[in-house]
Amino acid sequence: KAGVTQTPRYLIKTRGQQVTLSCSPISGHRSVSWYQQTPGQGLQFLFEYFSETQRNKGNFPGRFSGRQFSNSRSEMNVSTLELGDSALYLCASSTGTADDYTFGSGTRLTVV
Amino acid sequence: KNEVEQSPQNLTAQEGEFITINCSYSVGISALHWLQQHPGGGIVSLFMLSSGKKKHGRLIATINIQEKHSSLHITASHPRDSAVYICAKIQGAQKLVFGQGTRLTINP
Repeated sequence: KAGVTQTPRYLIKTRGQQVTLSCSPISGHRSVSWYQQTPGQGLQFLFEYFSETQRNKGNFPGRFSGRQFSNSRSEMNVSTLELGDSALYLCASSTGTADDYTFGSGTRLTVV
Repeated sequence: KNEVEQSPQNLTAQEGEFITINCSYSVGISALHWLQQHPGGGIVSLFMLSSGKKKHGRLIATINIQEKHSSLHITASHPRDSAVYICAKIQGAQKLVFGQGTRLTINP
């Protein structure tokens, strides 16, 4: 059974650019959550999608957005990148119950 | 004050020692995760607990919902257990709120 797949694994972008990260959940998982991890702030919740609907959103500026497709794959987009957006971005998928929550390996974004 | 507090923040021990990491939270929850993160970033969910105790190999997790406290124990610790251990409470629809993590180093 394939795990949660995040692409790309590493990314370097320049300030002001935009970036799109992808997350393919485990087959059958309809919930996808996104998290940002930085040394200073730790792990923080970005948003969660279930069946193409955003159900929950964290305290991040509007530059951070996401969507989910009918096959449950999810993308997150960050526009007008800032140096402080450099982080490990993790997604996790589940069927909607907490006991099958599975994380991907993350995308490490560096903004220069 | 963080909603989820872990202690200690750093823990160094010798191989074979019994390890305990504590997690307390300020608001009642339905369930709590214990996560493991190795250098390089990948996170693995070790346990999801809503009551009582769970055991997997040398790892044991307990939770006391009334006292808003959970513990993760590692018996017969090994250098490969060196990692960051994170507790996270489940809030709302699949939203995790994380503790700051405990960096565990097991020396041979």
